[in-house]
Amino acid sequence: DIVVTQSPDSLAVSLGERATINCKSSQSVLYSSNKNNYLAWYQQKPGQPPKLLIYWASTRESGVPDRFSGSGSGTDFTLTISSLQAEDVAVYYCQQYYTTPLTFGGGTRVEIK
Amino acid sequence: EVQLVESGGGLVQPGGSLRLSCSASGFTFSNHAMHWVRQAPGKGLEDVSAIKIDGDTTYYADSVKGRFTISRDNSKKTLYLQMSSLRAEDTAMYYCVKVIRGSSWYDAFDIWGQGTMVTVSS
Repeated sequence: DIVVTQSPDSLAVSLGERATINCKSSQSVLYSSNKNNYLAWYQQKPGQPPKLLIYWASTRESGVPDRFSGSGSGTDFTLTISSLQAEDVAVYYCQQYYTTPLTFGGGTRVEIK
Repeated sequence: EVQLVESGGGLVQPGGSLRLSCSASGFTFSNHAMHWVRQAPGKGLEDVSAIKIDGDTTYYADSVKGRFTISRDNSKKTLYLQMSSLRAEDTAMYYCVKVIRGSSWYDAFDIWGQGTMVTVSS
């Protein structure tokens, strides 16, 4: 199984400041034939199901604010919130969908400092 | 509006059985692979099972293999998860999930239901 590890477990950021979450997979999720990284990011607020933010490591889902961006390739990825807003308080998960079982990172809780 | 609505959760004793259903609307259900993802209280996400559009190709996490069965009825736009030999560690919110593009289950999850809670306890 591909193990997906997120860091940090939690972070507190001031409103308007940048938040950065890291995600590392135990093996590459870059598919050589199409050059796509099979990596997604989700946001989960309390009492709600997760919401897709980013797929193919850097493609923003429709309707997601452009302050959210994804980067990285192979085994190392980053989700960046460029200017944290109050509504961004949530737990963020990365997920690899390169091979079964599809696996998620343990989550990163983002709070306001 | 694209929507997934789960039902069938509840309290069940260890060793018992339960069948979850997920009703889909707002998209062509028969064109998309589907997954069940669960989340234990206060914990992370686990992809439990998936099924391709043909209904015959499935996969299961090791934690549920041999105990859970996923199926679908494309004519009813409904996904199912038959759970048997339930254990305390199966206690979780179970989400029905749609993949973005279509037939492959190697895909991100763009639509999630609100979930149905399963509690296994005596």
